[in-house]
Amino acid sequence: RKEVEQDPGPFNVPEGATVAFNCTYSNSASQSFFWYRQDCRKEPKLLMSVYSSGNEDGRFTAQLNRASQYISLLIRDSKLSDSATYLCVVNMYSGGGADGLTFGKGTHLIIQP
Amino acid sequence: NAGVTQTPKFRVLKTGQSMTLLCAQDMNHEYMYWYRQDPGMGLRLIHYSVGEGTTAKGEVPDGYNVSRLKKQNFLLGLESAAPSQTSVYFCASSYAGTKEFLYGYTFGSGTRLTVV
Repeated sequence: RKEVEQDPGPFNVPEGATVAFNCTYSNSASQSFFWYRQDCRKEPKLLMSVYSSGNEDGRFTAQLNRASQYISLLIRDSKLSDSATYLCVVNMYSGGGADGLTFGKGTHLIIQP
Repeated sequence: NAGVTQTPKFRVLKTGQSMTLLCAQDMNHEYMYWYRQDPGMGLRLIHYSVGEGTTAKGEVPDGYNVSRLKKQNFLLGLESAAPSQTSVYFCASSYAGTKEFLYGYTFGSGTRLTVV
């Protein structure tokens, strides 16, 4: 069974703190990894792709650990506007038909003033 | 540049009624997808299309039909709506990838459907 697992939270974090969360996936052959952000009652929006070497975009850093089959997202100097649900997304390709990306259920982050 | 546009944004149906949700994208994307999102369930794939004239079933296809007659449009139909189909429906599109590698999706703003 294809699985993308995330801690649902909520993570309650004071403004300015650093927060990190992980996501595990079950398919060792997966090659596409993303983090999406979803605000309440809005559509998911692509936050960043996750590359094998790790990548950084401003305050956000994503890491991929293929050996342990997890990806991580680190947010530094958190802002109130970072409050959202963060979705881990993986292409759970298994050798069959291409049926798209698999979305985790999300980790809910609340930044407190 | 509108991106992905979904219509309608809200709809209330009575059990047994039919309706069509329209998704239109102006990014020349090959791939299009329909998802539903329910509390505690995350996003679940209903149907998808990898090109004009082609469609395929996703994780939860029962009770839905789709058509992709034009590259830019992907229609989701409910022939006989049931209360279990009360949900938020998202359309998404992306550039063509391979089975192993897929590009990130662009989502529409969603359709909130209530079946009473």
